[in-house]
Amino acid sequence: NAGVTQTPKFRVLKTGQSMTLLCAQDMNHEYMYWYRQDPGMGLRLIHYSVGEGTTAKGEVPDGYNVSRLKKQNFLLGLESAAPSQTSVYFCASSYRVEAFFGQGTRLTVV
Amino acid sequence: AQSVTQLDSQVPVFEEAPVELRCNYSSSVSVYLFWYVQYPNQGLQLLLKYLSGSTLVESINGFEAEFNKSQTSFHLRKPSVHISDTAEYFCAVSNRDDKIIFGKGTRLHILP
Repeated sequence: NAGVTQTPKFRVLKTGQSMTLLCAQDMNHEYMYWYRQDPGMGLRLIHYSVGEGTTAKGEVPDGYNVSRLKKQNFLLGLESAAPSQTSVYFCASSYRVEAFFGQGTRLTVV
Repeated sequence: AQSVTQLDSQVPVFEEAPVELRCNYSSSVSVYLFWYVQYPNQGLQLLLKYLSGSTLVESINGFEAEFNKSQTSFHLRKPSVHISDTAEYFCAVSNRDDKIIFGKGTRLHILP
């Protein structure tokens, strides 16, 4: 099984550009999450979803939007990228408890 | 609301010495507790978890953690560390039908 797959792995954006990060899981998990990881800040929850068609805000949702049109996919969008959104983004999925993580997307906004 | 506090951002320890990484949580309901490990340039992997039952849980590579409800703690310990344990360790908390919240992480540096 592939587990949790994130696309792309690396990306450089110019300020004001938009992009979408894709997360796909093949474990039929209900819950999916998007986190960002910054030095000294740990993992901060951006948005999460408890099932197909549902989304909810996490700790740091501003500047991001998400969609969960299909159970296996969770998309994270940046409508107008800012340098403050330079980070490593991790997607995860879980069934009730244990979370499984993707390998991360390193995003740089210049 | 749930929260997790990892008291040490970095812990240096000599190889073969014991180590303890501290984690405290706050939650108004029953919790599940986790330790995840992140090796350099990789995603997070589950190290061990407490769901119910015995308060002492162990991993396959010699780590253990003890759930202490009265102190709201879930400290991670290993009696003898190896260079391969160099990583960042994250404590996390969840309840049955809610999101998983992570601490800020503790970098474990193994000194030769």
